[in-house]
Amino acid sequence: NFMLTQPHSVSESPGKTVTISCTGSSGSIASNYVQWYQQRPGSAPTTVIYEDNQRPSGVPDRFSGSIDSSSNSASLTISGLKTEDEADYYCQSYDSSNIWVFGGGTKLTVL
Amino acid sequence: QVQLVQSGSELKKPGASVKVSCKASGYTFTSYAMNWVRQAPGQGLEWMGWINTNTGNPTYAQGFTGRFVFSLDTSVSTAYLQISSLKAEDTAVYYCARWFDDWGLRWGQGTLVTVSS
Repeated sequence: NFMLTQPHSVSESPGKTVTISCTGSSGSIASNYVQWYQQRPGSAPTTVIYEDNQRPSGVPDRFSGSIDSSSNSASLTISGLKTEDEADYYCQSYDSSNIWVFGGGTKLTVL
Repeated sequence: QVQLVQSGSELKKPGASVKVSCKASGYTFTSYAMNWVRQAPGQGLEWMGWINTNTGNPTYAQGFTGRFVFSLDTSVSTAYLQISSLKAEDTAVYYCARWFDDWGLRWGQGTLVTVSS
């Protein structure tokens, strides 16, 4: 079964840049689009990146997404960190049967 | 504007059934699928499957067959998730979510279903 693996947690200081990885277990992660969702405590998830590197209207350009085929990974990079960015972040893609697959989530602490 | 508004929290006893609603507005309901996602307490997101809002045909992810039923009432632009024979492990927040080409996934606010005797 196709799986997406994320680090459990990352932390960084305000104003810095952090990158969260999402590694595919098999196949090529570049074969299907990757999305990233932000979930603040007690709230529903919201989309911050879709189709690998697209930002919905209203999401600041501090958020960016990329794919690295050599490591079979997707990455979410947040620059100029703010305390409001503290949240759980989930990557999501699809397996070969178009079944949705979520990563386990990464808790971002901005301290 | 686009909205997905879900029904309120539910407290049910084991063995009972629950029906969660997701009312859509601001777009044509019968285009693109409606997805359902589960999040158990303190856990990650788990895709349950989707329903074709044009045909009403559901597709269930592994682990969500049998007791879980997706349905629609297109006359009121609403999707439903029904869970029967509830178990304690069904306690979770259930989200509806729909894809938009210029946005990605938009999510409902979630419905907490608590199963407890």
